[in-house]
Amino acid sequence: DIQMTQSPSSLSASVGDRVTITCRASQGIGNYLAWYQQKPGEIPSLLIYAASTLQSGVPSRFSGSGSETDFTLTISCLQPEDVATYYCQKYNSAPFTFGPGTKVDLK
Amino acid sequence: QITLKESGPTLVRPTQTLTLTCTFSGFPLSTRGEGVAWIRQPPGKALEWLALIYWDDDTRYSPSLKSRLTITKDSSKKQVVLSVTNMDPVDTATYYCAHTMWPVTEYFDYWGQGILVTVSS
Repeated sequence: DIQMTQSPSSLSASVGDRVTITCRASQGIGNYLAWYQQKPGEIPSLLIYAASTLQSGVPSRFSGSGSETDFTLTISCLQPEDVATYYCQKYNSAPFTFGPGTKVDLK
Repeated sequence: QITLKESGPTLVRPTQTLTLTCTFSGFPLSTRGEGVAWIRQPPGKALEWLALIYWDDDTRYSPSLKSRLTITKDSSKKQVVLSVTNMDPVDTATYYCAHTMWPVTEYFDYWGQGILVTVSS
């Protein structure tokens, strides 16, 4: 089965910073990758699918890129409400594995 | 508007079978392309995909848990049921159901609120 990894596992950044999170698949998955945001105490929320397509209602400061094995989620200008754990998920085929998550908090 | 809600026991004993129900609205699980998945999250840990059922009763399971999982649906009742046999304390988690689509769009765009299931004697 394809394994998903994320780096870093956690990061601290200041409001206004550009934040980049990496997700790596152990084998190529095309662009079949989604990103989720889970704020503390809340349910996960879909941010991006097809590696780079923003879900409706997601602020434009979020962007995604990549294909096959290497993907990135970028927050162009970090806001206080972006404090959350971010997960990637592959969906090219089952199993629909999630990454281990990246926790983002404020410096 | 799509909504999903999980229900079931919040405390189970080790070795028991857990049965959870996802009651949904806003989409017909009988329509081609629709699907519902179960995902869990142990306290303080990452999300783990468990199982998925499609409109045509086709199913997919996590390889590591396949022998213990059964997912079924009743489209007329708008319910999806997940059974997990031989529960263990390591299965303590918040269990979520989520909406998804086929083909190759099996990301999860709507989630239930989750139900915390504790496994303890």
